[in-house]
Amino acid sequence: DTAVSQTPKYLVTQMGNDKSIKCEQNLGHDTMYWYKQDSKKFLKIMFSYNNKELIINETVPNRFSPKSPDKAHLNLHINSLELGDSAVYFCASSRASWGLAGLEQYFGPGTRLTVT
Amino acid sequence: GENVEQHPSTLSVQEGDSAVIKCTYSDSASNYFPWYKQELGKRPQLIIDIRSNVGEKKDQRIAVTLNKTAKHFSLHITETQPEDSAVYFCAASEANDMRFGAGTRLTVKP
Repeated sequence: DTAVSQTPKYLVTQMGNDKSIKCEQNLGHDTMYWYKQDSKKFLKIMFSYNNKELIINETVPNRFSPKSPDKAHLNLHINSLELGDSAVYFCASSRASWGLAGLEQYFGPGTRLTVT
Repeated sequence: GENVEQHPSTLSVQEGDSAVIKCTYSDSASNYFPWYKQELGKRPQLIIDIRSNVGEKKDQRIAVTLNKTAKHFSLHITETQPEDSAVYFCAASEANDMRFGAGTRLTVKP
């Protein structure tokens, strides 16, 4: 069984379009994340949701909007796509934990977005 | 916020040699330090982690050390094999906020 899944795996679209990437986890985790990995492989957190509530919102353009219909899903909507949005987007999930409990994150397979 | 520095950015070793990757972090509240391995075209996967109440942890050929006073931690891979070739990321987190280093591309030459 796939623990964290994303669709689509590849997304090629033109500038100005609006697109969505879906993420689902079947691990029973309370927290989900979106990361952007650019061409230099740098992994940068974009958003984090805990039990459908936004807890981390890094400085990303407001063209990016996460939506969490339930704690097993965190979708990413991107409006007015730009060339610089081209990257691999990873969804991840973890238990909600505090203190020294440890917070291993499980990553989805990634979505390669290419904006032309 | 947390800032994680990782060195070196690339590392090439001969098969059988050891590889060491070092990271420093800035936020003394960080208490969880995982290492992820990412093979080409694949997702990052956890290979080992350490919590702030432990100074060292070992799992077969992989070990991680943590110096909380100096705010640095390191990954050690012994007896490297070609299949160890990948990009390795360190990370530091406090609660659910995890920040990654920039990655180290390790190449193990047969």
